Amino acid sequence: AQSVTQLGSHVSVSEGALVLLRCNYSSSVPPYLFWYVQYPNQGLQLLLKYTTGATLVKGINGFEAEFKKSETSFHLTKPSAHMSDAAEYFCACQDTGNQFYFGTGTSLTVIP
Amino acid sequence: NAGVTQTPKFRVLKTGQSMTLLCAQDMNHEYMYWYRQDPGMGLRLIHYSVGEGTTAKGEVPDGYNVSRLKKQNFLLGLESAAPSQTSVYFCASRVKAAGKGEQYFGPGTRLTVT
Repeated sequence: AQSVTQLGSHVSVSEGALVLLRCNYSSSVPPYLFWYVQYPNQGLQLLLKYTTGATLVKGINGFEAEFKKSETSFHLTKPSAHMSDAAEYFCACQDTGNQFYFGTGTSLTVIP
Repeated sequence: NAGVTQTPKFRVLKTGQSMTLLCAQDMNHEYMYWYRQDPGMGLRLIHYSVGEGTTAKGEVPDGYNVSRLKKQNFLLGLESAAPSQTSVYFCASRVKAAGKGEQYFGPGTRLTVT
């Protein structure tokens, strides 16, 4: 079975600082990878995805992630944090089957 | 276009009671999923369906049943609720085509079993 590990269940950054949320996956085949964001009392919204092609993927709200096969990583970054970025972030992996595997989530706090 | 909707939004059950959660999508998606979300555990797949009339077990299927009688609806049933089933339940759907696999999520149902 596939698995996804998110390092750091809580991350705090100052407004305007770099956001870095870490995600590592285990997969025996090239996976599809996703980052979702969840605001309080809401469902998950897709931030970005990697399927094939360019390894640097740009998403909504200024976020981007880079697929590094050699490191089995898909870390999420944003150059400058905004207060509105405070939320829970989930990394997910899909293999060639129909199931998705989610990490345990990282709660991002933005300090004014 | 409402996307994925879930009813009810909140529910409180007593141990042993039964209920059905309804998920509906208007995007003509083939695949539908039920997850539960618990603190510190992320989302765990309960059951999923790859088409009308078909269902399959996910990671944590025990205590739940599902049905997909219509393409747009996916029902999750609890026959005899237990406190361990207190959770937030999310439904998701996606298209069948490979490489377009992102899921679209509903707003969730918060269930408390006392």
